[in-house]
Amino acid sequence: EPEVTQTPSHQVTQMGQEVILRCVPISNHLYFYWYRQILGQKVEFLVSFYNNEISEKSEIFDDQFSVERPDGSNFTLKIRSTKLEDSAMYFCASHRGLAGGEQFFGPGTRLTVL
Amino acid sequence: AQTVTQSQPEMSVQEAETVTLSCTYDTSESDYYLFWYKQPPSRQMILVIRQEAYKQQNATENRFSVNFQKAAKSFSLKISDSQLGDAAMYFCAFGGGADGLTFGKGTHLIIQP
Repeated sequence: EPEVTQTPSHQVTQMGQEVILRCVPISNHLYFYWYRQILGQKVEFLVSFYNNEISEKSEIFDDQFSVERPDGSNFTLKIRSTKLEDSAMYFCASHRGLAGGEQFFGPGTRLTVL
Repeated sequence: AQTVTQSQPEMSVQEAETVTLSCTYDTSESDYYLFWYKQPPSRQMILVIRQEAYKQQNATENRFSVNFQKAAKSFSLKISDSQLGDAAMYFCAFGGGADGLTFGKGTHLIIQP
């Protein structure tokens, strides 16, 4: 069964460094998402991406964040200058684009900012 | 903006018993989707069940069923014949088509053997 994959599973970085989190969505899906979950808290929507552009973003998704689909398979989230409060689990998800379809989540990348 | 409220931070049930997790939401939209996701200790997000708002019939997936009350904006999850493997965090979520999902704070379900 097709699945969303994410790399790395765990990323440790120093405050102020740039990080890129990578995702490979399910191949025939059209919508891609990033979510964040700070430890012990709820899952929060960051951004959705369709047709090579951002279709929706939350107030969390400020200028420090960017997303890109550099080729036909990868979908990346870049954090330019990480802060301690960026430490969280980051989930990628994809959606076929059909009404009522579910979003399929990847296993997540745990980001630790020191 | 939509909000999703899960008022039970933690629930405990005996194995083989039935438990109901509560969820309420607020929206001005008329067409939307509601979801329950399970998050075990591995932190993987697993879809348990979904409901289309335009459907009056409650969704059912094996031991999992929902009680969807559109007028009351309520969407509870019932788990029958609880099993040890059901222990996890359960998140209620609201979505419109391919929009980003809005999640509740979650309910931690404990299964007592």
